[in-house]
Amino acid sequence: DAKTTQPNSMESNEEEPVHLPCNHSTISGTDYIHWYRQLPSQGPEYVIHGLTSNVNNRMASLAIAEDRKSSTLILHRATLRDAAVYYCMLGGGGGSNYKLTFGKGTLLTVNP
Amino acid sequence: EAGVAQSPRYKIIEKRQSVAFWCNPISGHATLYWYQQILGQGPKLLIQFQNNGVVDDSQLPKDRFSAERLKGVDSTLKIQPAKLEDSAVYLCASSLVWGGGDEQFFGPGTRLTVL
Repeated sequence: DAKTTQPNSMESNEEEPVHLPCNHSTISGTDYIHWYRQLPSQGPEYVIHGLTSNVNNRMASLAIAEDRKSSTLILHRATLRDAAVYYCMLGGGGGSNYKLTFGKGTLLTVNP
Repeated sequence: EAGVAQSPRYKIIEKRQSVAFWCNPISGHATLYWYQQILGQGPKLLIQFQNNGVVDDSQLPKDRFSAERLKGVDSTLKIQPAKLEDSAVYLCASSLVWGGGDEQFFGPGTRLTVL
């Protein structure tokens, strides 16, 4: 199964951009790349996902490497409410090989 | 729009006892997922349903865990008998379609403590 690797923790200052990396060197051609975040005692919350092209939404941007073996979640201006554990997840594979794999997550600390 | 509902929110049992968790997904969502999240780790997919059919249960410990989604709507996850290592948060999620390219909506989870 394809796996993801993320740094255990990262720190940022409020109103500065944050780049959260994820390595997924064994990704298959049909795997989507998803990002979720989780606050304490809550279920994960969807942030963004993509397949091959970079993606933007109101919350963040997702930059996908050309070979798709890594991706970066970009928070353009971190706020205190962005402090959470961020998970990179691969979903897909198609047919009987369909798998969903979460990484161990990156704890993001945002300093005021 | 109502979110994914789960109950109970907390459960404490002794090892070898049985326990069941209930999940009601967002209306109209065909795909339902059960995850196990051990403290300090990412969620681990246990089983996923497409309507009332199982798509993937490869990581479900079938000797003690079972799950059903009889009418393609709500679902129940059961553990019988429970072990100490089953202590975790059990998360239910749903998505509109199946195939890996859709957003999952998660419920608040059920925190299970096995003594």
